[in-house]
Amino acid sequence: QKEVEQDPGPLSVPEGAIVSLNCTYSNSAFQYFMWYRQYSRKGPELLMYTYSSGNKEDGRFTAQVDKSSKYISLFIRDSQPSDSATYLCAMSALTNAGKSTFGDGTTLTVKP
Amino acid sequence: KAGVTQTPRYLIKTRGQQVTLSCSPISGHRSVSWYQQTPGQGLQFLFEYFSETQRNKGNFPGRFSGRQFSNSRSEMNVSTLELGDSALYLCASSPDNYNEQFFGPGTRLTVL
Repeated sequence: QKEVEQDPGPLSVPEGAIVSLNCTYSNSAFQYFMWYRQYSRKGPELLMYTYSSGNKEDGRFTAQVDKSSKYISLFIRDSQPSDSATYLCAMSALTNAGKSTFGDGTTLTVKP
Repeated sequence: KAGVTQTPRYLIKTRGQQVTLSCSPISGHRSVSWYQQTPGQGLQFLFEYFSETQRNKGNFPGRFSGRQFSNSRSEMNVSTLELGDSALYLCASSPDNYNEQFFGPGTRLTVL
């Protein structure tokens, strides 16, 4: 079983929709939670970075972490066609700085 | 601030050859990590270097090696290439004491 499981998708939504992307994990040592966006043939781009439990908002993006359930989410409000990409969740432990464990990614398409 | 740069961007090699990939981190970042990304396995951690020392290592065979120089630039080497080594190799750098990582565009390696 993988340490990080990500809802596989693919996901297709109309422009303006609210998108929910989710990951679960099994390693209790994970304390840092990241979301990356990756466009085709590009490197991942860091979107959100959260330490421990709670919510973090940045513009149209909100990241949620529930450590008790080992569940993290990324919400995208007012989705745009430019949000069409693969979204990757990633996690790391305090004692393993520099080593992130990634989900397999969810491919999102936002249709105009 | 310039981002993470990787060279070369594309590489074609034949089985049995060896290859060296280069990564220049964001100025001031001393942690450099390497990942392999394939459609079947996703993003997998190779190793991480901090101040010229390997601090973490993933589950890859010894054919995969790396090093870091005093200016934090890093190289990874793959010897005796196999067809299965065809992948996008990504380098990421981190500020000290932070787990968020910033990725370069990657080197796409094709082994024929």
